[in-house]
Amino acid sequence: GESVGLHLPTLSVQEGDNSIINCAYSNSASDYFIWYKQESGKGPQFIIDIRSNMDKRQGQRVTVLLNKTVKHLSLQIAATQPGDSAVYFCAVSNSGYALNFGKGTSLLVTP
Amino acid sequence: DADVTQTPRNRITKTGKRIMLECSQTKGHDRMYWYRQDPGLGLRLIYYSFDVKDINKGEISDGYSVSRQAQAKFSLSLESAIPNQTALYFCATSDPRQGGYEQYFGPGTRLTVT
Repeated sequence: GESVGLHLPTLSVQEGDNSIINCAYSNSASDYFIWYKQESGKGPQFIIDIRSNMDKRQGQRVTVLLNKTVKHLSLQIAATQPGDSAVYFCAVSNSGYALNFGKGTSLLVTP
Repeated sequence: DADVTQTPRNRITKTGKRIMLECSQTKGHDRMYWYRQDPGLGLRLIYYSFDVKDINKGEISDGYSVSRQAQAKFSLSLESAIPNQTALYFCATSDPRQGGYEQYFGPGTRLTVT
């Protein structure tokens, strides 16, 4: 089965700095990758996704990078703000079937 | 996401009781999912359904059952609750026909089994 892991359970950054959250996956057949943000007391909220035919995708202040060679995924948040404090999950899928989630990285933004 | 609602939001029950968690969606999505979240373990898939007649077990289906009453409704049952089923439960929906595989989550149900 798929194994999805994050390198750091917690990450602390200063407001205004860039944040990088990493994720590794095990199944080379995985073809869909997604990042979620979960705030306290809420369900996970979609941030950005990427398919295996791409290696980079940008959204508003967020960028996802995919390195299929080493099976690594990262989420970059530019100019991190206090509202970005949350738990971030990566998830991977094979052909749109069930998502396999990592354990999450807790991002803390300090003033 | 207000398009996916879960009831109840919080529930405390005793060991051995039967309990049902309900999920409704107004997104018109065919696919629905139930996940369980425990501290430090991320989300784990319990069951999923790709349409009303399609039910599939996920990673941790033992001790749970589901019913897909309609496209918009997917309920999760614990036939005889046990304390290690204390967790946060999330329902989610998706529809690849609408562009992607992203799943949209409800607000969650916090279940405590004493």
